[in-house]
Amino acid sequence: AQSVTQLGSHVSVSEGALVLLRCNYSSSVPPYLFWYVQYPNQGLQLLLKYTSAATLVKGINGFEAEFKKSETSFHLTKPSAHMSDAAEYFCAVSDRDGANNLFFGTGTRLTVIP
Amino acid sequence: GAGVSQSPRYKVAKRGQDVALRCDPISGHVSLFWYQQALGQGPEFLTYFQNEAQLDKSGLPSDRFFAERPEGSVSTLKIQRTQQEDSAVYLCASSLLWDGQETQYFGPGTRLLVL
Repeated sequence: AQSVTQLGSHVSVSEGALVLLRCNYSSSVPPYLFWYVQYPNQGLQLLLKYTSAATLVKGINGFEAEFKKSETSFHLTKPSAHMSDAAEYFCAVSDRDGANNLFFGTGTRLTVIP
Repeated sequence: GAGVSQSPRYKVAKRGQDVALRCDPISGHVSLFWYQQALGQGPEFLTYFQNEAQLDKSGLPSDRFFAERPEGSVSTLKIQRTQQEDSAVYLCASSLLWDGQETQYFGPGTRLLVL
């Protein structure tokens, strides 16, 4: 069975500071991993995904994530936070055995302080 | 191009009423998913279609929930005899052909409030 754990339901950073959102996964087979962002009253938008090519994945809006098998982690980072990054972020996992859905974490709400 | 659209965006129902939620996927997308997102939680899988075939309905919480996609395009999620615990945002997503890594594109959701 697949699952993800997002540590920290709320994260606050100052504008210009490093953003680090944590995600750890559990999967019985090599996973596919995703980060989605959700702005208020909008649907989820894909930031990036890991599908077993490069372990460092670059996404939209300056975000990137690194797949670390030894740590079962897929943390999301951005070097310098912008006010527009304030949103809810979800980590999700699927697997290569063809599970018919994504399994989402509970989300991390990012606040950017001016 | 047009994304996934859902209607209505908001729905208030009295307990016991039936509701129908509509999803228009991206044109040409074979796979369609419904998720339920409770307040403060991540989306949870309800059901999956490949074209008109409902291949997985393991996430539907009770037999009051029913989904269909009769022509392999538009889908409707129906909830009969709504209960307060059904209050949530219902998200629809579509993808080209789901293989575990294909991107799922999400609609804005329908926020259902059952009084």
